[in-house]
Amino acid sequence: QSALTQPASVSGSPGQSITISCTGTSSDVGGFDYVSWYQQHPGKVPKLMIYDVNKRPSGVSNRFSGSKSGNTASLTISGLQAEDEADYYCSSYTSRSTWVFGGGTKLTVL
Amino acid sequence: EMQLVESGGGLVQPGGSLRLSCAASGFTFSSYSMNWVRQAPGKGLEWISNIGSSGYTMYYVDSVKGRFTISRDNAESTLYLQMNSLRAEDTAVYYCARGLKFMDVWGKGTTVTVSS
Repeated sequence: QSALTQPASVSGSPGQSITISCTGTSSDVGGFDYVSWYQQHPGKVPKLMIYDVNKRPSGVSNRFSGSKSGNTASLTISGLQAEDEADYYCSSYTSRSTWVFGGGTKLTVL
Repeated sequence: EMQLVESGGGLVQPGGSLRLSCAASGFTFSSYSMNWVRQAPGKGLEWISNIGSSGYTMYYVDSVKGRFTISRDNAESTLYLQMNSLRAEDTAVYYCARGLKFMDVWGKGTTVTVSS
Protein backbone atom coordinates (compact mmCIF):
# COMPACT_ATOMS: atom_id res chain seq x y z
CA GLN A 1 0.00 0.00 0.00
CA SER A 2 2.48 2.63 -1.16
CA ALA A 3 1.48 6.26 -1.09
CA LEU A 4 0.69 7.95 -4.38
CA THR A 5 3.53 10.14 -5.65
CA GLN A 6 3.11 13.91 -5.57
CA PRO A 7 5.72 16.66 -5.92
CA ALA A 8 6.74 17.94 -2.50
CA SER A 9 6.19 21.54 -3.49
CA VAL A 10 4.94 23.77 -6.29
CA SER A 11 4.73 27.52 -6.52
CA GLY A 12 3.16 30.20 -8.66
CA SER A 13 2.40 33.88 -8.74
CA PRO A 14 -1.06 35.35 -8.24
CA GLY A 15 -3.13 34.99 -11.39
CA GLN A 16 -1.04 32.17 -12.79
CA SER A 17 -2.05 28.52 -13.17
CA ILE A 18 -0.34 25.56 -11.54
CA THR A 19 -0.76 21.82 -11.86
CA ILE A 20 -0.07 19.20 -9.20
CA SER A 21 0.48 15.64 -10.38
CA CYS A 22 -0.42 12.45 -8.56
CA THR A 23 1.09 9.23 -9.85
CA GLY A 24 -0.05 5.78 -8.86
CA THR A 25 -0.42 2.43 -10.56
CA SER A 26 -2.97 0.47 -12.53
CA SER A 27 -4.18 -0.89 -9.18
CA ASP A 28 -5.29 2.51 -7.95
CA VAL A 29 -5.28 5.74 -9.99
CA GLY A 30 -5.19 3.98 -13.35
CA GLY A 31 -7.77 1.39 -12.48
CA PHE A 32 -10.60 3.49 -11.09
CA ASP A 33 -12.18 6.90 -11.66
CA TYR A 34 -12.25 7.43 -7.91
CA VAL A 35 -9.52 10.04 -7.53
CA SER A 36 -10.17 12.88 -5.13
CA TRP A 37 -8.21 15.95 -4.04
CA TYR A 38 -8.10 17.64 -0.64
CA GLN A 39 -6.89 21.06 0.47
CA GLN A 40 -5.49 21.51 3.96
CA HIS A 41 -4.47 24.83 5.43
CA PRO A 42 -2.03 24.71 8.38
CA GLY A 43 -3.74 23.50 11.52
CA LYS A 44 -7.01 23.00 9.70
CA VAL A 45 -9.16 20.08 8.62
CA PRO A 46 -8.81 18.68 5.07
CA LYS A 47 -11.41 19.95 2.61
CA LEU A 48 -12.65 18.01 -0.42
CA MET A 49 -11.91 19.97 -3.60
CA ILE A 50 -12.34 17.41 -6.40
CA TYR A 51 -13.95 13.96 -6.49
CA ASP A 52 -14.40 11.26 -9.14
CA VAL A 53 -11.35 12.68 -10.99
CA ASN A 54 -12.95 15.90 -12.20
CA LYS A 55 -16.11 16.76 -10.26
CA ARG A 56 -16.32 19.76 -7.95
CA PRO A 57 -18.39 19.74 -4.76
CA SER A 58 -20.87 22.54 -4.36
CA GLY A 59 -19.12 25.67 -3.13
CA VAL A 60 -15.68 24.90 -4.54
CA SER A 61 -14.40 27.51 -6.96
CA ASN A 62 -14.35 26.59 -10.66
CA ARG A 63 -10.72 27.67 -10.62
CA PHE A 64 -10.03 24.13 -9.40
CA SER A 65 -10.17 21.32 -11.93
CA GLY A 66 -9.06 17.71 -12.11
CA SER A 67 -8.07 15.26 -14.81
CA LYS A 68 -6.47 11.86 -15.28
CA SER A 69 -4.35 10.16 -17.89
CA GLY A 70 -3.29 6.58 -17.35
CA ASN A 71 -1.83 6.19 -13.87
CA THR A 72 -1.43 9.92 -13.28
CA ALA A 73 -4.07 12.32 -12.01
CA SER A 74 -3.68 16.08 -11.95
CA LEU A 75 -5.13 19.03 -10.07
CA THR A 76 -5.01 22.39 -11.83
CA ILE A 77 -5.61 25.67 -10.06
CA SER A 78 -6.10 28.64 -12.35
CA GLY A 79 -6.04 32.30 -11.42
CA LEU A 80 -3.95 31.60 -8.31
CA GLN A 81 -4.96 33.53 -5.21
CA ALA A 82 -3.16 33.99 -1.92
CA GLU A 83 -5.82 31.92 -0.15
CA ASP A 84 -4.92 28.91 -2.30
CA GLU A 85 -1.64 28.56 -0.42
CA ALA A 86 -2.04 25.23 1.39
CA ASP A 87 -1.13 21.56 1.28
CA TYR A 88 -2.90 19.45 -1.33
CA TYR A 89 -3.41 15.70 -1.19
CA CYS A 90 -4.69 13.30 -3.81
CA SER A 91 -6.41 10.07 -2.93
CA SER A 92 -7.52 6.99 -4.83
CA TYR A 93 -9.56 3.86 -4.27
CA THR A 94 -7.50 0.71 -4.84
CA SER A 95 -8.01 -2.81 -6.12
CA ARG A 96 -7.64 -4.08 -2.53
CA SER A 97 -10.81 -2.18 -1.54
CA THR A 98 -8.67 0.28 0.38
CA TRP A 99 -7.85 3.94 -0.10
CA VAL A 100 -4.45 5.57 -0.47
CA PHE A 101 -3.35 9.19 -0.20
CA GLY A 102 -0.49 10.94 -1.90
CA GLY A 103 2.36 12.32 0.15
CA GLY A 104 1.06 15.85 -0.21
CA THR A 105 2.17 18.95 -2.11
CA LYS A 106 2.84 22.31 -0.51
CA LEU A 107 1.58 25.11 -2.73
CA THR A 108 3.28 28.46 -2.26
CA VAL A 109 1.75 31.57 -3.80
CA LEU A 110 4.66 33.90 -4.43
CA GLU B 1 -25.32 21.34 9.66
CA MET B 2 -23.44 18.12 9.04
CA GLN B 3 -20.94 17.50 11.80
CA LEU B 4 -18.49 14.87 13.00
CA VAL B 5 -16.95 15.17 16.46
CA GLU B 6 -14.13 12.87 17.52
CA SER B 7 -13.18 12.07 21.09
CA GLY B 8 -11.16 9.59 23.09
CA GLY B 9 -7.64 10.62 22.19
CA GLY B 10 -4.89 11.06 24.75
CA LEU B 11 -1.51 9.93 25.97
CA VAL B 12 -0.95 6.18 26.15
CA GLN B 13 2.10 4.02 26.73
CA PRO B 14 3.46 1.73 24.02
CA GLY B 15 1.49 -1.49 24.01
CA GLY B 16 -1.55 0.21 25.45
CA SER B 17 -5.08 0.63 24.10
CA LEU B 18 -7.46 3.47 23.30
CA ARG B 19 -10.97 3.67 21.91
CA LEU B 20 -11.81 6.61 19.69
CA SER B 21 -15.37 7.74 19.05
CA CYS B 22 -16.86 9.91 16.34
CA ALA B 23 -20.35 11.33 16.90
CA ALA B 24 -22.23 12.26 13.75
CA SER B 25 -25.08 14.73 13.38
CA GLY B 26 -26.91 16.62 10.65
CA PHE B 27 -27.15 13.70 8.21
CA THR B 28 -28.46 10.13 8.07
CA PHE B 29 -25.43 8.36 9.52
CA SER B 30 -26.69 4.87 8.67
CA SER B 31 -26.67 5.68 4.94
CA TYR B 32 -22.95 6.39 4.71
CA SER B 33 -19.69 4.50 4.67
CA MET B 34 -17.25 5.98 7.21
CA ASN B 35 -13.47 6.22 7.48
CA TRP B 36 -10.67 6.91 9.90
CA VAL B 37 -7.74 8.91 8.55
CA ARG B 38 -4.69 9.92 10.56
CA GLN B 39 -1.96 12.50 10.26
CA ALA B 40 1.31 12.13 12.13
CA PRO B 41 2.97 15.37 13.31
CA GLY B 42 4.31 17.26 10.30
CA LYS B 43 3.35 14.44 7.95
CA GLY B 44 0.71 13.73 5.34
CA LEU B 45 -2.69 12.09 5.49
CA GLU B 46 -2.93 8.32 5.87
CA TRP B 47 -6.16 6.39 5.37
CA ILE B 48 -6.38 3.65 7.96
CA SER B 49 -9.84 2.10 7.93
CA ASN B 50 -13.30 2.06 6.33
CA ILE B 51 -16.60 0.54 7.40
CA GLY B 52 -19.64 0.09 5.21
CA SER B 53 -22.93 1.77 6.00
CA SER B 54 -24.42 -1.34 7.57
CA GLY B 55 -21.25 -2.24 9.44
CA TYR B 56 -20.75 -5.57 7.70
CA THR B 57 -17.67 -4.67 5.65
CA MET B 58 -14.44 -3.35 7.13
CA TYR B 59 -11.13 -2.59 5.50
CA TYR B 60 -7.76 -1.63 6.98
CA VAL B 61 -4.34 -0.41 5.94
CA ASP B 62 -1.77 -3.16 6.44
CA SER B 63 0.05 -1.31 9.24
CA VAL B 64 -2.95 -1.52 11.61
CA LYS B 65 -4.45 -4.87 10.64
CA GLY B 66 -4.84 -7.10 13.65
CA ARG B 67 -4.37 -4.18 16.05
CA PHE B 68 -7.19 -1.75 15.20
CA THR B 69 -10.89 -2.53 14.88
CA ILE B 70 -13.43 -0.21 13.30
CA SER B 71 -17.10 -0.44 14.28
CA ARG B 72 -20.25 1.64 14.29
CA ASP B 73 -23.53 2.04 16.14
CA ASN B 74 -26.09 3.34 13.66
CA ALA B 75 -28.72 3.76 16.38
CA GLU B 76 -26.37 6.15 18.18
CA SER B 77 -24.87 7.67 14.97
CA THR B 78 -21.41 6.91 16.29
CA LEU B 79 -18.26 5.51 14.71
CA TYR B 80 -15.55 3.83 16.76
CA LEU B 81 -11.93 2.84 16.43
CA GLN B 82 -10.54 0.38 18.97
CA MET B 83 -6.76 0.65 18.96
CA ASN B 84 -4.68 -2.05 20.67
CA SER B 85 -0.95 -2.75 20.87
CA LEU B 86 -0.23 0.90 20.20
CA ARG B 87 3.20 1.91 18.92
CA ALA B 88 5.07 5.19 18.84
CA GLU B 89 4.40 5.40 15.11
CA ASP B 90 0.64 5.50 15.78
CA THR B 91 1.07 8.99 17.25
CA ALA B 92 -1.12 11.25 15.14
CA VAL B 93 -4.26 13.30 14.84
CA TYR B 94 -7.07 10.89 14.03
CA TYR B 95 -9.91 12.17 11.84
CA CYS B 96 -13.19 10.50 11.06
CA ALA B 97 -14.51 11.24 7.60
CA ARG B 98 -17.72 10.42 5.77
CA GLY B 99 -17.79 8.73 2.41
CA LEU B 100 -17.12 5.77 0.19
CA LYS B 101 -15.51 6.95 -3.05
CA PHE B 102 -14.42 10.24 -1.49
CA MET B 103 -14.50 11.91 1.93
CA ASP B 104 -16.71 14.96 1.99
CA VAL B 105 -17.29 15.61 5.68
CA TRP B 106 -14.45 15.58 8.20
CA GLY B 107 -14.26 15.99 11.94
CA LYS B 108 -11.74 18.26 13.64
CA GLY B 109 -9.72 15.28 14.84
CA THR B 110 -8.54 13.87 18.14
CA THR B 111 -4.87 13.56 19.09
CA VAL B 112 -3.31 10.26 20.08
CA THR B 113 0.18 10.29 21.56
CA VAL B 114 1.96 7.00 22.19
CA SER B 115 4.91 7.54 24.50
CA SER B 116 6.42 6.23 27.69
